[in-house]
Amino acid sequence: RKEVEQDPGPFNVPEGATVAFNCTYSNSASQSFFWYRQDCRKEPKLLMSVYSSGNEDGRFTAQLNRASQYISLLIRDSKLSDSATYLCVVTGGGNKLTFGTGTQLKVEL
Amino acid sequence: EPEVTQTPSHQVTQMGQEVILRCVPISNHLYFYWYRQILGQKVEFLVSFYNNEISEKSEIFDDQFSVERPDGSNFTLKIRSTKLEDSAMYFCASDRDRGSNQPQHFGDGTRLSIL
Repeated sequence: RKEVEQDPGPFNVPEGATVAFNCTYSNSASQSFFWYRQDCRKEPKLLMSVYSSGNEDGRFTAQLNRASQYISLLIRDSKLSDSATYLCVVTGGGNKLTFGTGTQLKVEL
Repeated sequence: EPEVTQTPSHQVTQMGQEVILRCVPISNHLYFYWYRQILGQKVEFLVSFYNNEISEKSEIFDDQFSVERPDGSNFTLKIRSTKLEDSAMYFCASDRDRGSNQPQHFGDGTRLSIL
């Protein structure tokens, strides 16, 4: 089983749509959870941290379910500029980040 | 906002040659990392570095690889005898505090092409 598993997509959605991405992780000892965004051939950039209580940042909402080892990201009112690959990232006891393969989002007119 | 900077942005090297990738982490950060991303694949952890020593390394980080903090600002990754399969984007990252809840800040990467 992969350490961090994501549907690679692509998700093609119209502008203004709501889209949700899911991620599962295999290591129950994972401690911290993040969503990063990666544009084509660029570096990963932190989108948001993910907390058990759920957290929201503008149009973005992240949820964590530790019992199911499941993380989600919801994007409301999609913009063209949201087109990117969304990376689910977890850490274990150390500081190293373990990345999923990413989910590609394409927002279209 | 402070940034992690990496040089060069693109390095082309003959197979078997040594290559050094350079990074300047954010100035008050204490933890430094190298990751790589082969084209079309996921980002993979190579090594973490703290207090002038390696704190963790992956299976990828074999004897061909080494890291160094030669002065107070630079953090380097050396590949001693490059192979074709070393072609990838190499990202440097840093963070400030101990504890895995700190997000890491990434440099914009060095594209390494081995011919």
